[in-house]
Amino acid sequence: DAKTTQPTSMDCAEGRAANLPCNHSTISGNEYVYWYRQIHSQGPQYIIHGLKNNETNEMASLIITEDRKSSTLILPHATLRDTAVYYCIVRVPSYSGAGSYQLTFGKGTKLSVIP
Amino acid sequence: NAGVTQTPKFRVLKTGQSMTLLCAQDMNHEYMYWYRQDPGMGLRLIHYSVGEGTTAKGEVPDGYNVSRLKKQNFLLGLESAAPSQTSVYFCASSDPREFAFFGQGTRLTVV
Repeated sequence: DAKTTQPTSMDCAEGRAANLPCNHSTISGNEYVYWYRQIHSQGPQYIIHGLKNNETNEMASLIITEDRKSSTLILPHATLRDTAVYYCIVRVPSYSGAGSYQLTFGKGTKLSVIP
Repeated sequence: NAGVTQTPKFRVLKTGQSMTLLCAQDMNHEYMYWYRQDPGMGLRLIHYSVGEGTTAKGEVPDGYNVSRLKKQNFLLGLESAAPSQTSVYFCASSDPREFAFFGQGTRLTVV
């Protein structure tokens, strides 16, 4: 199963771009990269996902390297409300072999946006 | 647009007591999940379900049981609560290729 590696913590100045890296060197061809964040003690919130191509939505951009072994989540203009733990997740097959996909969370990156 | 609703939001149990946490989703999602989160830790998967009537073990299933009798509901049971089960519990639901929606959590304290 593909696993992810993220830095434990990062700081970013308010108004600047926040670039959060994620390594997933064992990702397989049909696995997607998902990003979620968790603000304080709330339930995690979906941000963005992608397979091969770069993706952008109203919240963020996702850059996936050509070999798909790593990706970067970009928050273009970080605000104080973006302070959260950010999780990079790669979907894996279930152990039951049903062809379904679990969501497996690591410890994520704690992003602190500094005024 | 309720999304994913967890009941209750807070609970204090005595060691050895039992309880059931309810997760309800109104998005007709096939997949549902139960996670626990301990201080300073990421989310750990307890059990999950890929459809009505099906359940499977996740990373930390011991001490918990689950049932998915109706597609919209996923129940997490603690038969004999232990202090080690003090945690924040999150439920989530998703379609197979879509992203997951999470509930706001249940804070459980076992004394």
